[in-house]
Amino acid sequence: DTGVSQNPRHKITKRGQNVTFRCDPISEHNRLYWYRQTLGQGPEFLTYFQNEAQLEKSRLLSDRFSAERPKGSFSTLEIQRTEQGDSAMYLCASSWGTGGGSPLHFGNGTRLTVT
Amino acid sequence: AQSVTQLDSQVPVFEEAPVELRCNYSSSVSVYLFWYVQYPNQGLQLLLKYLSGSTLVESINGFEAEFNKSQTSFHLRKPSVHISDTAEYFCAVSEMGGTYKYIFGTGTRLKVLA
Repeated sequence: DTGVSQNPRHKITKRGQNVTFRCDPISEHNRLYWYRQTLGQGPEFLTYFQNEAQLEKSRLLSDRFSAERPKGSFSTLEIQRTEQGDSAMYLCASSWGTGGGSPLHFGNGTRLTVT
Repeated sequence: AQSVTQLDSQVPVFEEAPVELRCNYSSSVSVYLFWYVQYPNQGLQLLLKYLSGSTLVESINGFEAEFNKSQTSFHLRKPSVHISDTAEYFCAVSEMGGTYKYIFGTGTRLKVLA
C-alpha cells in the first residue's frame, strides 16, 4: 500500500490558463474522489468515479472543471480558464467497496494558486 | 441531501483535560459516520467510523464517538488530551443505500495548551 499520490504538490498559474492535476489511487481501490478545500473549510465534494465511470458531479462544479479516470486507474482533474476563486487545495481520495461505508484514503493534495 | 454541522470552529483545551468536539448531521435515511483528523501539514486520516452495531466506537489513540440517532449526533470525545492531539478534526457522513458520496463538516481546530 503506497498510499494515494497526487501531482504536482503545488501549482501557481495565471488567471485564464488551464491546469491539470493527477491522482494515483491505492492500486486495488475501485472508487476515486475529488474534493476541494479552502482555508478554514472542510473538504467540498467535487466528483467521484467507480472504476472508469463518473457517477456523480457536484452541482456547484463549473463546466470549466472536468475529470477523467481512463481505464479505472489514475485520474486527472482539469480546470480551464482558471479564476482567482479556483485557488484552493485539491484533494484526491480512494476507497474499495461494493457497498457503502468504505473509509476514504486521502492524498496530500495539490495546492493551486491563481494569480 | 445529507449535511454535517460542526458548530465549534476552534476548541482550546489544556493538556490532560477532557474534550468533546460536536458533530450533528442531517439526512432522510440511515447513515455511516466518520471522524477524520488532519495534523499540521499532513493529509486527512481516518480516526474512527460508525457503520452499524454498537453506537460507541473507539480509536487506537484514546478518542471515542457515540452515535445518537434521536439527536442525529456523532460527538467525538477524549478523557485526557495530549499536546500531540492538536489538529483539525472533520466529521463526515455518507448515506446508506444512496450514492457513495461523503459530505464533510467545516472542521473543528483543537488546540491543546501546555
